[in-house]
Amino acid sequence: KQEVTQIPAALSVPEGENLVLNCSFTDSAIYNLQWFRQDPGKGLTSLLLIQSSQREQTSGRLNASLDKSSGRSTLYIAASQPGDSATYLCAVRPGMDSSYKLIFGSGTRLLVRP
Amino acid sequence: KAGVTQTPRYLIKTRGQQVTLSCSPISGHRSVSWYQQTPGQGLQFLFEYFSETQRNKGNFPGRFSGRQFSNSRSEMNVSTLELGDSALYLCASSLEGTSGRARFGPGTRLLVL
Repeated sequence: KQEVTQIPAALSVPEGENLVLNCSFTDSAIYNLQWFRQDPGKGLTSLLLIQSSQREQTSGRLNASLDKSSGRSTLYIAASQPGDSATYLCAVRPGMDSSYKLIFGSGTRLLVRP
Repeated sequence: KAGVTQTPRYLIKTRGQQVTLSCSPISGHRSVSWYQQTPGQGLQFLFEYFSETQRNKGNFPGRFSGRQFSNSRSEMNVSTLELGDSALYLCASSLEGTSGRARFGPGTRLLVL
C-alpha cells in the first residue's frame, strides 16, 4: 500500500532564506509526483509535476527533484518570501492502474517571517 | 481557460440529511476525481470518474456516491450525514494520459451539525 510522508510538518523561516521540503513514498511504481500549494481554507494550486522518468522540474524560484529508486522527492524554494507562506503538499499517482488517483502526504506548513 | 468550479462553496446540514455537491471540470478534461480533506485524516481519495464511468473508488462507506454526466460535470452525494462528514470536499480534473496535472477546484466546505 502506497504511503506518502512529508517532513517537517511545520517550518518557520526568515524572509530570504532558501529552504527544502521533503517527501517520501513507499512504492516506487508511480506515474508521477506532484507538488501543490494550499492556502488556508482554499483549494490546491499545482506547482510542479515530475514524471517518473524525470529527475527534476523547475518553475521560477521552485525546483523539485525526484529519486524514484529511493522513494524521495524534495521541493527547493529559493529566496523565500512572506507570500510563500502556505501548506505544501506532495502527491504521487500510483502506476498500477489507469485511473487518476493521487495519494497525498500530510503536508508541510510553511511560515516565512518578514 | 476557466478553472475547475465547485458549487456550493459552503453548506450547513444536520445529521441524517443528504447532500449533493457539484463539480465542473476544465473544458476538455474528462477525468474528475473527488477528495475529502479533514484536519485529522488529511486529503483522502473518494472516487474518480472518466467518461461517465467510475474507474476507482477509495475506502469510504457506501453513503458516499458519485456520478458523471456526458458533459464531464460530476456530482457527489452523501446520504445519512454524520458529524464526521464535516470536511472540505475538493474535486480535481485532468486530461487523460499519464502526464497530465490535476487541477483542483476551490472546494465545498460542508459542516454537519
